[in-house]
Amino acid sequence: EDKVVQSPLSLVVHEGDTVTLNCSYEVTNFRSLLWYKQEKKAPTFLFMLTSSGIEKKSGRLSSILDKKELFSILNITATQTGDSAVYLCAVEDNYGQNFVFGPGTRLSVLP
Amino acid sequence: SAVISQKPSRDICQRGTSLTIQCQVDSQVTMMFWYRQQPGQSLTLIATANQGSEATYESGFVIDKFPISRPNLTFSTLTVSNMSPEDSSIYLCSVALKGAQYFGPGTRLTVL
Repeated sequence: EDKVVQSPLSLVVHEGDTVTLNCSYEVTNFRSLLWYKQEKKAPTFLFMLTSSGIEKKSGRLSSILDKKELFSILNITATQTGDSAVYLCAVEDNYGQNFVFGPGTRLSVLP
Repeated sequence: SAVISQKPSRDICQRGTSLTIQCQVDSQVTMMFWYRQQPGQSLTLIATANQGSEATYESGFVIDKFPISRPNLTFSTLTVSNMSPEDSSIYLCSVALKGAQYFGPGTRLTVL
């Protein structure tokens, strides 16, 4: 059965801290892994990862995929209160299930 | 947690036709959401469906194009009406339960 596990489920840090969010997966026919940030109504797309070892970077956020070990990490450096959100990891599969979403990591950044 | 299933998982349709997507949840939930996912983009919320009331549509989405039913607390349908190729997308059902949000596997729609 396809599944995505995220850890930690919740995290409280102070502004300026660096955080690493983890996503591990088991899926039948991997196509891509996606990270989203959810603050309000709809999750905002952050990254799509398809190849191992290639880091994707956007400002203070970066992410990398390890297809051999079946996991991805999302790093946020110099966190700000605006980074407070639920971060969702989802795996897209080529066959059967289209998406499998993880439970999310709820990040709270305190001033 | 909530386990969500969607039917169909994928379909290919001719323009001008309609497709109804079903969403089934294993828990009773008040709020169900329908999203659209274009490749490499953020999820776009189409509407929120509460049991016993009319669905609330987001800007850019109308009931005539995307009628929604919510007959009970575990089930909803979204119909994509009079389809055009621009409607090709993945449609996702989601529920809110005990402070967390859960997503279905999606329905991959291709309109020719």
